[in-house]
Amino acid sequence: GENVEQHPSTLSVQEGDSAVIKCTYSDSASNYFPWYKQELGKRPQLIIDIRSNVGEKKDQRIAVTLNKTAKHFSLHITETQPEDSAVYFCAASKGNTPLVFGKGTRLSVIA
Amino acid sequence: KAGVTQTPRYLIKTRGQQVTLSCSPISGHRSVSWYQQTPGQGLQFLFEYFSETQRNKGNFPGRFSGRQFSNSRSEMNVSTLELGDSALYLCASSLNGSPDTGELFFGEGSRLTVL
Repeated sequence: GENVEQHPSTLSVQEGDSAVIKCTYSDSASNYFPWYKQELGKRPQLIIDIRSNVGEKKDQRIAVTLNKTAKHFSLHITETQPEDSAVYFCAASKGNTPLVFGKGTRLSVIA
Repeated sequence: KAGVTQTPRYLIKTRGQQVTLSCSPISGHRSVSWYQQTPGQGLQFLFEYFSETQRNKGNFPGRFSGRQFSNSRSEMNVSTLELGDSALYLCASSLNGSPDTGELFFGEGSRLTVL
């Protein structure tokens, strides 16, 4: 089955700097790659997603890139703010199979 | 529109006991998935129910079971609890259960502590 590896497990950045989180997946048939953000004590929420027919997608300060050949995708957050501090999870799926999540990255934005 | 509601939010059990957790999905959503969240392990898929049928199942022992009712509400049960079952159990609902066509909406979770 699908396996998703996520790096780094923790990441600290200065406010205003950029943050990059990387994920690799094992199943070349996976075609949907969402990112979820979980603030402390809160529920995970979808922040951005990308499908396999697209190489990059942006939404204000966040962007996701996908390299199907290498089977990896990344989350980029620019101009980080304290409210970006959270745990971020990448995930992958194909068709109607369940999402397989990475183990998460704890991002701390230092003011 | 009400979000995904999970009950109870917190519970403490002892080894060997059993527990039942409940999830009410967003109105109109027919798919309910359950995930176990533990520190360092991320979100691990337990099972998914769609229209009262289990459609997918993760790699968990048979002590973990679930069901879905005609109103889409779902329950999961863990029997013969072990210390390692201590975790946050998250329920997520979606319109039709296909991740690539519908966002997963998570509940706030039920935090289970096994002593």
